[in-house]
Parts: sequence; C-alpha cells; structure tokens
Amino acid sequence: EPEVTQTPSHQVTQMGQEVILRCVPISNHLYFYWYRQILGQKVEFLVSFYNNEISEKSEIFDDQFSVERPDGSNFTLKIRSTKLEDSAMYFCASRVSPEKLFFGSGTQLSVL
Amino acid sequence: AQSVTQPDIHITVSEGASLELRCNYSYGATPYLFWYVQSPGQGLQLLLKYFSGDTLVQGIKGFEAEFKRSQSSFNLRKPSVHWSDAAEYFCAVGAQNAGNMLTFGGGTRLMVKP
Repeated sequence: EPEVTQTPSHQVTQMGQEVILRCVPISNHLYFYWYRQILGQKVEFLVSFYNNEISEKSEIFDDQFSVERPDGSNFTLKIRSTKLEDSAMYFCASRVSPEKLFFGSGTQLSVL
Repeated sequence: AQSVTQPDIHITVSEGASLELRCNYSYGATPYLFWYVQSPGQGLQLLLKYFSGDTLVQGIKGFEAEFKRSQSSFNLRKPSVHWSDAAEYFCAVGAQNAGNMLTFGGGTRLMVKP
C-alpha cells in the first residue's frame, strides 16, 4: 500500500532555532495536511494545503509556521523560531478523496 | 464547532473478550466519522470510516463501528480482542467539505491482559 513518508523521525533543536519538517505525500494525492500531537494530548489540526495554497489553518498555525510544496513531491512545515511548547509529534497527511486520509508515521520534535 | 469526546482514557480487557470503545461527537451537519489506531512509535492507521449509507461499518482487523445519529455516537467494537490490539484508539469527525479537516478525540488507550 502506498504511504506518506516523513523525515526525520526525530528532530532535536534548541529554542529559537528554525526547523523544517519534511513529508513526501502519496504521489497522486491533491490535499495535504499537518497535524500535531503534544505528549498526552489530542491530535490537533494545524493546516491544510491544496492547489499550492493554504485552504484552512487553525489558531495554532500562527506566523511562526509556514508550509511549502517546493517541488512536485515534497511538502514541508517550517517553524521559524521554535519554542518549548512546539515540542510534539508532527504528522503529515495526504488524500485524494475525503474518505481516505493517509497519515505518515510522524516526526517527534523536541525543543530544548 | 465540531468536537469529539472519548469518555474512557484507559480500558483494559482480557484477550478474547469483547471490546467497545465509546465516541460521542458534536457537529452541526452530517459528519464524516473515523476511527484510527496508533501503536507505540507509529503513525495513525485508519481502521474504518462512516460517510453515509449503512450505519454499521466494517473495518480492518475485525473492527466494526455503528453510527447512531440520535445519540451522536460512533462506538467501536470488536467481538474478540487479540493481544496485538493493544494500542491507542482515536475517534475523529470531519466536515463534508473540500478541506475536510479532522477533529480528534482525546484517545482511548487499550491494554490487553493475557
């Protein structure tokens, strides 16, 4: 079965540093998402992306966050100046149709 | 705004016993409903989904769920639990629009006793 690939699986960074989390969605998918899960909390929606632009974003997705699809295969989430509270598991997801959203295995971000 | 409640944070069942995980949602229109499973260190795997039609849906690994509109519930069931089912289970609701952002419940951690 096709899968969404996320790299790296773990990322450790210092507070204030920029990080880029990378995702390779499934090749024929059109909609792309980032979600995050702070340890012990719910999985939360961050942003959705379609047709090279953000279609929805949550309150969490403030000016420190940005997304990009720099080429035909990658989908990235950038955090410009990381804070301690950005520590979480970040999940990328993609889909063609609403009934089947595929999630990647996540990137565990630790901000020290 | 849509919301999902999973009342049970932890559930422990014996292997071979039946299982029901509860999920209640709040949504203004007909929702899309999902159950995902997350094993330790893994991503979210879709177990099953409800969009329309038959309110009893079958999923992978022997799971099923029933959509009850009158109760705003979408409980997950399995007749006989296996040790490998130990994981965290998330119920989610999605809007029927192009964005289809999902709202997740807090999850239920299932432990299976031998």
